[in-house]
This record gives sequence, C-alpha cells and structure tokens, in this order.
Amino acid sequence: DIHMTQSPSTLSASVGDRVTITCRASQSITSWMAWYQQKPGKAPKLLIYKASSLESGVPSRFSGSESGTEFTLTISSLQPDDFATYYCQQNNSFPLTFGGGTKVEIK
Amino acid sequence: EVQLVESGGGLIQPGGSLRLSCSVSGFTVTSKFMSWVRQAPGKGLEWVSCIYSGGRTNYADSVKGRFTISRDNSKNILYLQMNSLRAEDTAVYYCAGDTTNFQHWGQGTLVTVSS
Repeated sequence: DIHMTQSPSTLSASVGDRVTITCRASQSITSWMAWYQQKPGKAPKLLIYKASSLESGVPSRFSGSESGTEFTLTISSLQPDDFATYYCQQNNSFPLTFGGGTKVEIK
Repeated sequence: EVQLVESGGGLIQPGGSLRLSCSVSGFTVTSKFMSWVRQAPGKGLEWVSCIYSGGRTNYADSVKGRFTISRDNSKNILYLQMNSLRAEDTAVYYCAGDTTNFQHWGQGTLVTVSS
C-alpha cells in the first residue's frame, strides 16, 4: 500500500496569509495526486487533481505542485471561507489512500 | 446537475448486516467509476470499495470478504452490502464518483455498530 504522510496536522494562520500543506508518498505516484477541502459536517470537495490541475469552479488562489514524491497544496492568500480540513489522496494504485489531514485554524 | 444521495445507515449490532444505497442523478452509475469512502468519527477519510463502469470491483483489505459493492442500472443506484459488521466499521459512509478523483460526493450516511 502507498502511505501518504501529510504535514502539518494543524496549521494556525490569519486571513491573507500564504499557506502551504505538504504530502509525501511512500513511493512514486507520478502525478496521481488529488487535494480535497472538508468543512465540519460536510462532504469533501475536490480542489486539485493530477497534482496541479484546478477543479472547475475552485478559486485560483488554490494551487498544487509536485517534486518527486512530495506534493504541495498552496493557498496564496487565505480567505475566511478557507478555514477547513484539507486531505491529499493518491489515485495511482489500489488501495486508494488519503493523507491524515491538515486542519487550518484561525490564528 | 449531479446529485448523489445516500441512505440506509443506522444503528446495528456487531455481527449484523446493513445495505447502503446511493441514488444518483445527473449521470448513469454504469458509465462512471464509483466508490464508497468512509470517515470514522473525528478521523480522516478511508477508501472502502469501488466499481468500474465495466463492472470490475475492488475493496480495501479491512472490508474484503465482508462488504460487496453493486449497482442497479435500472434505478441508477449504487449499493454497499455490509455483513459481519464490527465496531471499527462505525463511520459516515460517502458515495463518490466519477473518476478516481472524487469529483462528486453525497452528503453521507452514518453507520453505528454498537451493542
């Protein structure tokens, strides 16, 4: 199984901050990485797929990048609506696996 | 507009069975890759099972042999039959599709396994 190590687990930030969340895969997944946002009591929402492709309707302040087995989700300027938990997911091979999540809190 | 609506969750005793349903509108379940993903209370996301458009299925090791994914083409519904339920199966169960990037999600249905 491919293990996804996501960091940090919690992040305190202010509106307007640049935020970076990292996910490291235990082996190569090429670019088969997706990022999701989840708010309490709601289903996850797809933000990024194929490591850096922005899902339709998602604000351009969200972006994804990759370097080998390390993947990054960046929010260029944190907005009030962005306080949530974020998950990475590899879809290179089964079982599909998620990172442990990053909760972005208000500083 | 795509909509996924899960139902069938509830309180069940250990060892019991439950069938979850996911009613889909906006596309046909047979044309897409569909999955079940669960989330234990206060925990992260765990992929459970999937079914390809061609009918091939796949399962997480934690549910293999106990859970069965299927679909009803005429009703456009995705199912998850869950047998031999354990306390550790307690979670909100989401259906999701339409590729391995889960673009569409239902609202989830809570399954609680407890005596």
